Amino acid sequence: DAKTTQPPSMDCAEGRAANLPCNHSTISGNEYVYWYRQIHSQGPQYIIHGLKNNETNEMASLIITEDRKSSTLILPHATLRDTAVYYCIVRVANNNDMRFGAGTRLTVKP
Amino acid sequence: DAGITQSPRYKITETGRQVTLMCHQTWSHSYMFWYRQDLGHGLRLIYYSAAADITDKGEVPDGYVVSRSKTENFPLTLESATRSQTSVYFCASNVASYNEQFFGPGTRLTVL
Repeated sequence: DAKTTQPPSMDCAEGRAANLPCNHSTISGNEYVYWYRQIHSQGPQYIIHGLKNNETNEMASLIITEDRKSSTLILPHATLRDTAVYYCIVRVANNNDMRFGAGTRLTVKP
Repeated sequence: DAGITQSPRYKITETGRQVTLMCHQTWSHSYMFWYRQDLGHGLRLIYYSAAADITDKGEVPDGYVVSRSKTENFPLTLESATRSQTSVYFCASNVASYNEQFFGPGTRLTVL
């Protein structure tokens, strides 16, 4: 019973920005939004996380709405290697039970 | 090599057999985790450990046993394997609970 809702699949053209949405309308004030991705058959890979403010790192940007009920992961210039399943997870920082949902399967096309 | 490794990578066993999956990390991370991923689904937490000799149940612990006598190792044992335990098992670790988790390459287990 993941606390997030994500579209099952999305396509993106190579070189364009990929915007992956996530709804978490029941998020609590002390819950963070985490993003991981899983490239075929590999272990998940951490991308980014945030609480309230927008965050950016070398891999992606995370935009969290002001009411915190949804967020968007942005891959600014998608490459074929970004084809993966992307998981949006909400959890309290010190809660070790990280619940993965079904995620969004992003396909980057040439 | 530094990192997190799992062994074996592939295992086929029969119903009722005992199977142990190994996980080893070289970072001295305090926390270690075991997840299972069934075909077409997300990961589910089986057990985790906050430090040596400290373990706790996750979402789906039934049928599994863990131990952590050393910080770097976190073996997962299926005492009597069942077909429903056919899955891909991932081990992970992190420095502290709020940090990102680093995942191993996975063990694909088939129970016949």
